[in-house]
Amino acid sequence: GAGVSQSPSNKVTEKGKDVELRCDPISGHTALYWYRQSLGQGLEFLIYFQGNSAPDKSGLPSDRFSAERTGGSVSTLTIQRTQQEDSAVYLCASSLEGANTEAFFGQGTRLTVV
Amino acid sequence: DAKTTQPPSMDCAEGRAANLPCNHSTISGNEYVYWYRQIHSQGPQYIIHGLKNNETNEMASLIITEDRKSSTLILPHATLRDTAVYYCTLRAGGTSYGKLTFGQGTILTVHP
Repeated sequence: GAGVSQSPSNKVTEKGKDVELRCDPISGHTALYWYRQSLGQGLEFLIYFQGNSAPDKSGLPSDRFSAERTGGSVSTLTIQRTQQEDSAVYLCASSLEGANTEAFFGQGTRLTVV
Repeated sequence: DAKTTQPPSMDCAEGRAANLPCNHSTISGNEYVYWYRQIHSQGPQYIIHGLKNNETNEMASLIITEDRKSSTLILPHATLRDTAVYYCTLRAGGTSYGKLTFGQGTILTVHP
């Protein structure tokens, strides 16, 4: 596809379960970002990938959160032992390298922990 | 902490120009000003960005003051579909890795 694709679009999980969220960036985009947006709040940075490496993980809220990227393309964000406060929309963005290039966002995955 | 400050809300009449201000008094020389908007339940949509010169595209115009400490996004002829949250953000490369830091944004309501 032409844009950033995220799946699933919605996920309901029970507290304590693990979840995986997927991001397919725009082809050729080496930079990939994950953000989280809680209800009524702004976007909170989680992690940045440059190719397959993650030089900035400063936004991950706890060690229950991890992410990986393979082949310089698809990325997965994993949340272990989910808690109710993890409920949010998780957004992925991709861009070419550098600050003078647009970053494009996917539609997000709405995670609800019950 | 976000490095930009925006009014929490603004109103605009349909067909009129919407002028959304943003303060970024601590902007660094290598930081670009980016604007995004987010319509309910959708991912943020890129609008426009600039470094120091004014920019215009099919969606909007961006006016950056000479000292770069503030900017204004202009939607020349607002429509009801422009009702959204508008985010002004800064973006730098290097050790900032191009990440966008979002504040609370401005809720723009366009009314008939």
